[in-house]
Amino acid sequence: GENVEQHPSTLSVQEGDSAVIKCTYSDSASNYFPWYKQELGKRPQLIIDIRSNVGEKKDQRIAVTLNKTAKHFSLHITETQPEDSAVYFCASHYGGSQGNLIFGKGTKLSVKP
Amino acid sequence: GAVVSQHPSWVICKSGTSVKIECRSLDFQATTMFWYRQFPKQSLMLMATSNEGSKATYEQGVEKDKFLINHASLTLSTLTVTSAHPEDSSFYICSAGKLVGGETQYFGPGTRLLVL
Repeated sequence: GENVEQHPSTLSVQEGDSAVIKCTYSDSASNYFPWYKQELGKRPQLIIDIRSNVGEKKDQRIAVTLNKTAKHFSLHITETQPEDSAVYFCASHYGGSQGNLIFGKGTKLSVKP
Repeated sequence: GAVVSQHPSWVICKSGTSVKIECRSLDFQATTMFWYRQFPKQSLMLMATSNEGSKATYEQGVEKDKFLINHASLTLSTLTVTSAHPEDSSFYICSAGKLVGGETQYFGPGTRLLVL
């Protein structure tokens, strides 16, 4: 079955620096890759996603890149702010319109002021 | 929009009782709803997938007689934890799938269950 590996498990950066979180997936049929941000005790919130027909997508300070050949995708946050501190989960979606999301184990990002 | 509500937000119950959690998509019709369980500082573990009007599909290792799922309409799914025990204490989160050029999942706020 599909497996998603996420690294690093923790990441600490200074405010204003960039943060990069990387994920790899195993199933070449996977076609949709969302990223979720989860603050302590709250719901995961979709922050950006990318589909397999696109190599890069950007939304203000957040960008996601996808390398289908290597089966990895990355989240890039620029000009980090303390409010970016949270746990970030990558996920891989496969199996058609009713396919499931397989989540990575999460990355705890801490942005120090 | 894509708003998903979940009720209750937290519940404390005695061992042996049953607890029902509701998940509603408020401003869209969900093609599929998903139930997850999350332990502290861990990732989301998919428990089951449900489609309106049909039986839920459970992940391996999840007891379907223990975690009853009913998907009565395109906007409502319920999870009932039957005969709850302390080991069932966890954070339960639902998500609803919305077709946006493919299916995107939007999460409810979660239900924290504590079984005494």
